[in-house]
Amino acid sequence: KQEVTQIPAALSVPEGENLVLNCSFTDSAIYNLQWFRQDPGKGLTSLLLIQSSQREQTSGRLNASLDKSSGRSTLYIAASQPGDSATYLCAVRPLSRGSQGNLIFGKGTKLSVKP
Amino acid sequence: DGGITQSPKYLFRKEGQNVTLSCEQNLNHDAMYWYRQDPGQGLRLIYYSQIVNDFQKGDIAEGYSVSREKKESFPLTVTSAQKNPTAFYLCASSVTGGAGNEAFFGQGTRLTVV
Repeated sequence: KQEVTQIPAALSVPEGENLVLNCSFTDSAIYNLQWFRQDPGKGLTSLLLIQSSQREQTSGRLNASLDKSSGRSTLYIAASQPGDSATYLCAVRPLSRGSQGNLIFGKGTKLSVKP
Repeated sequence: DGGITQSPKYLFRKEGQNVTLSCEQNLNHDAMYWYRQDPGQGLRLIYYSQIVNDFQKGDIAEGYSVSREKKESFPLTVTSAQKNPTAFYLCASSVTGGAGNEAFFGQGTRLTVV
């Protein structure tokens, strides 16, 4: 059964620092991996989608990488800002027929960027 | 503006009462999903639908029911059989259920039992 783990559970950094959030998954048979941002009491905002055939995706100050063979993804945030404070969720879409390709989520990393 | 609309934002349920959460999308997506989020836990799948008039149980379907009569709408009913319904409920959609499609989420409904 696919499991997704995110480490650390919480992270506090000073403004301007570059940082990396980690996501690992147990089964490499996936369609894609998606990173989301969630602000308190809000829904999920899609940040980046990496297809299984891709190695990385970039959007502004965000860069996500995917190493399917080792079951790992990282989300790199450059020059962090207080507005980046949120919970970041990683999710994989398994290839297995039984799951119908539904997303499997990690528990998230709660990021706090201090001014 | 294309997107997913969930309503209401907050909902209060009395013991033994059924309540229905609304989810509407204008993205022309075929697949729609309902997830439940509890503090300290990842999102868990309740029900999903790949096409109109068809839906499947997810990991925690007991005490919930859904319908998919229109492509745009996927309402979730929390029945009195759900023993611990207090949670944050999120609706999502994607073009199809597999093949690497990006999922988009609504803003959620917070349900509280009073």
